[in-house]
Amino acid sequence: GAGVSQTPSNKVTEKGKYVELRCDPISGHTALYWYRQSLGQGPEFLIYFQGTGAADDSGLPNDRFFAVRPEGSVSTLKIQRTERGDSAVYLCASSLSAEGYGYTFGSGTRLTVV
Amino acid sequence: DAKTTQPNSMESNEEEPVHLPCNHSTISGTDYIHWYRQLPSQGPEYVIHGLTSNVNNRMASLAIAEDRKSSTLILHRATLRDAAVYYCIPNSGNTPLVFGKGTRLSVIA
Repeated sequence: GAGVSQTPSNKVTEKGKYVELRCDPISGHTALYWYRQSLGQGPEFLIYFQGTGAADDSGLPNDRFFAVRPEGSVSTLKIQRTERGDSAVYLCASSLSAEGYGYTFGSGTRLTVV
Repeated sequence: DAKTTQPNSMESNEEEPVHLPCNHSTISGTDYIHWYRQLPSQGPEYVIHGLTSNVNNRMASLAIAEDRKSSTLILHRATLRDAAVYYCIPNSGNTPLVFGKGTRLSVIA
């Protein structure tokens, strides 16, 4: 597709449940980033992939959060035992390289934990 | 990462120029200055970036101070569609972008 696609656009889940959020990057983009954004804040970095490997996962808040990119294209962010504090918009971006410009973001997945 | 300071909010009249300032006094010599903006209910989008010289593209102009400790994003004629949060981000390319709170720009018709 022409842009970064994230599904679902909205997800409501109960506290304690497991969720998966999907990101389809722009074809050919080797770098893929996950961010999350709370109301009134800028996006907060979570994890970055270069190809299939996680090059930097220093932003993952705890071991309930995990992300994969097995074939170097689609990525899935997985959250176990969700908590109300996990409620946020989860943003995915991709870029041809990791040089800071030309990140293309998706519209995000709004996760609500009730 | 270099610390940035941006006004929380700014207001502009439609069709007038807007100058969005950013202070980044701890910027390193290899950091480019990137600007992204985030329209309501969308992910951020790339606007412009530069290293030392002023830069122009179809969206905006970027004026970088000679000592590189500050920069200004210039929208030459603000439209209602330019209402967004604007982020200034120094980055060398070795690490992912780090977003601050940015400046919320309101455009008045």
